Amino acid sequence: AQKVTQAQTEISVVEKEDVTLDCVYETRDTTYYLFWYKQPPSGELVFLIRRNSFDEQNEISGRYSWNFQKSTSSFNFTITASQVVDSAVYFCAPVVILTGGGNKLTFGTGTQLKVEL
Amino acid sequence: GAGVSQSPRYKVAKRGQDVALRCDPISGHVSLFWYQQALGQGPEFLTYFQNEAQLDKSGLPSDRFFAERPEGSVSTLKIQRTQQEDSAVYLCASRGTAGGTDTQYFGPGTRLTVL
Repeated sequence: AQKVTQAQTEISVVEKEDVTLDCVYETRDTTYYLFWYKQPPSGELVFLIRRNSFDEQNEISGRYSWNFQKSTSSFNFTITASQVVDSAVYFCAPVVILTGGGNKLTFGTGTQLKVEL
Repeated sequence: GAGVSQSPRYKVAKRGQDVALRCDPISGHVSLFWYQQALGQGPEFLTYFQNEAQLDKSGLPSDRFFAERPEGSVSTLKIQRTQQEDSAVYLCASRGTAGGTDTQYFGPGTRLTVL
């Protein structure tokens, strides 16, 4: 069975601070994919990034960066120089195969990020 | 092109009423998903369509929940005899491909409140 854990329930930072959100995905699969989504107060899930288990290179996109460590099954997401608009709930969501065909996203419990002035 | 749209955005139902929630996926997207998000939780998978075929409905909580996608585009999630525990946000997502791990794009959701 697979298990996704986002241990941080809520994080509060002051604007311009860097913040890292943790995600641990335990699975027996050797190849897997994982997504990060952002859910602002408006409620719509916004796609951020897709990562796979065979690429351990860090990825940077603007103020966002992602770090994958296969040895610890951790996919961590860092926001550099946080802004108030980054305030949202962040979900990591690995892809899980469906027995009937296709696959689904299995979401963690999310981390509420609050960025204050 | 337009994203995933859902209607209504908000629905209040009295316990025991039937409700129907609509999802318009991105045009041409083969895969369509329904998720349920309770307050303070992450979304949970309900069901999956590939074109008009419902390939998986393992997440539907009870036989009061029914989903269809008769022409492989618009989908409707129907809940019969609603109960208070059905109160949640219902999210629809679509994906361009049949299988694979391409991105799922989500609609704004329908917030259902059962009184």
